[in-house]
Amino acid sequence: DQQVKQNSPSLSVQEGRISILNCDYTNSMFDYFLWYKKYPAEGPTFLISISSIKDKNEDGRFTVFLNKSAKHLSLHIVPSQPGDSAVYFCAASGGSGGSYIPTFGRGTSLIVHP
Amino acid sequence: EPEVTQTPSHQVTQMGQEVILRCVPISNHLYFYWYRQILGQKVEFLVSFYNNEISEKSEIFDDQFSVERPDGSNFTLKIRSTKLEDSAMYFCASSTGQVEKLFFGSGTQLSVL
Repeated sequence: DQQVKQNSPSLSVQEGRISILNCDYTNSMFDYFLWYKKYPAEGPTFLISISSIKDKNEDGRFTVFLNKSAKHLSLHIVPSQPGDSAVYFCAASGGSGGSYIPTFGRGTSLIVHP
Repeated sequence: EPEVTQTPSHQVTQMGQEVILRCVPISNHLYFYWYRQILGQKVEFLVSFYNNEISEKSEIFDDQFSVERPDGSNFTLKIRSTKLEDSAMYFCASSTGQVEKLFFGSGTQLSVL
């Protein structure tokens, strides 16, 4: 039961260009969405979040867009840097029953080439 | 910057043996979690812990699993009789509140032979 789906296991981008990571969810009760970044041999670290009352949240080079009608969110990284190379996890919470435990996707491995 | 610490980083055990994975959450955090990631799969929620009791658990967290906060700083996950399919990276996390972002440890790679 994949409530949070990241359909692209990997993405390769040239340094300086835009990286767009996509995430779809099936549970319409989700109302809080997060992106985490994970380097090898480290745990996931929080990157950016968005509440369902917004459709965009920006933090420096990172912007998250939320399309509630399509149950889709995306993370944009502009400009991409080699240090951004990591696995990016989409997570969502606030499902039926009011659970605030984040449900994670499988992750997308981003490689930014110099 | 405060961080969540997990030990050991790697644990190899024989099937049927008990293992205890240890975590030291960030000191002023109130909510504690265990997640795991089987190689190539998603990060799966196991259990959350608040006010010295389990607040939520997933279907994965069956009677073979238990959690404990024995001394106010450590947070442990015990697997009583390990199975091959328990092999995974186990992540501990903590947060200040229910809706707040989670801070993860570096994980314990458990290999059951």
